[in-house]
This record gives sequence, structure tokens and C-alpha cells, in this order.
Amino acid sequence: EADIYQTPRYLVIGTGKKITLECSQTMGHDKMYWYQQDPGMELHLIHYSYGVNSTEKGDLSSESTVSRIRTEHFPLTLESARPSHTSQYLCASRPGHRYEQYFGPGTRLTVT
Amino acid sequence: AQKITQTQPGMFVQEKEAVTLDCTYDTSDPSYGLFWYKQPSSGEMIFLIYQGSYDQQNATEGRYSLNFQKARKSANLVISASQLGDSAMYFCAMRVFNAGNMLTFGGGTRLMVKP
Repeated sequence: EADIYQTPRYLVIGTGKKITLECSQTMGHDKMYWYQQDPGMELHLIHYSYGVNSTEKGDLSSESTVSRIRTEHFPLTLESARPSHTSQYLCASRPGHRYEQYFGPGTRLTVT
Repeated sequence: AQKITQTQPGMFVQEKEAVTLDCTYDTSDPSYGLFWYKQPSSGEMIFLIYQGSYDQQNATEGRYSLNFQKARKSANLVISASQLGDSAMYFCAMRVFNAGNMLTFGGGTRLMVKP
């Protein structure tokens, strides 16, 4: 089972601010993912990474960016937050030899 | 393109009874897998069970079993002996080999267990 951490858990921020959502995992998983989820709705993949210096955009268009400088760390950045970014953001990882993804606790972002 | 459909937005079940959550999928790829995740009100996604398209037997994990009917393209989750702690959202998801094994999620089913 993966240990995967996200901070902050909750964030309320004003429009136009730059924010970074942190995601770290301690299991050495190569593959990491970011999902966006509106309350009670399905998850949508917004970014993924197959390893250090590898990042790709997912199915859902997002104004966020990601980086993968270290295996264990996969932060997501919004340069200028907008109310439309209000959502829950879930980070996940998986080892290369298994298919199931393990999720962090999520960050609930509210942009006012 | 891959698609997952969960037709039950919400369900009630009496404590200690079994319940089946429906999931149908659509893909033309012969190599794929189906997952079920549980999402309590706290928000985290908890992996429950996985079934690969080539697996001969239906997957089981404790009180969870996956009723995989390939010809009907269904992968229903059966929870036996429901507990109050089972109250949560349940999401069915699919990975497809030719789509990089990314997960596509269904819209979820909210299960409420009555005491």
C-alpha cells in the first residue's frame, strides 16, 4: 500500500493568486497522476508523469502546470487562481508492475 | 474511446444485507482492467478490487467481489454483509492497455447503509 501525502488539505484563496498543491509519495513509484473532481462527480485526469522530467497533460484541459524533478514529488501549480478552479484535486501514484493507483487524501480548493 | 457507465446515482441497503453496484463499460481493446474505488465523505479514494480482462475467475477481496460478465461488458461490485462504514461513493474505473493504462472513471454510486 502506498503512502501518499497532499498538502494543504483545504485552501481558500482569492482570485489571481498563485498556488502550489503539494503531492509526495514514499514508495518510489514512477507513475504519478493528478485528477480534478467536482463534488459528487467523476474524476478527470489533468496531468500525469511516468518518471523524473516526464510530464504530460491528461484528458481534461487544465490551466495548471506540474513538474517532476524528484521521483517522490509531483507538485501542481496554478499561476492565477480563478473561481472556476474551485474543486477537489487528487494525487495518485502506482508502481510500474501493478495497475491500481493509490490516492492521497486530496486538496479541496476554493477560489473566491 | 473508453466509457464507464454507472446507472445508479444512489442506493440504500439494510445493514448486514448484500448489495450490488452496477457498472458497464465500453472498449474495443482486448486488454483492459476494471477497478472499484470507495470514496468516503472525507474525500480520499480507497482501492477495493481489480479484475483484468484475461482473468479467468472473478476477483474477490474480503467482503467485496467483482461479478465480471465479459460478454455483457459489465463489472458489478457485490458487497456482502453491509456495514454502516460502507456508506460512501463508489466509483467504477477502467484502464485500457492501448490508452496507456490511464484510468477512466464512471459517475459514481452513492451507497447509504441503513441501521
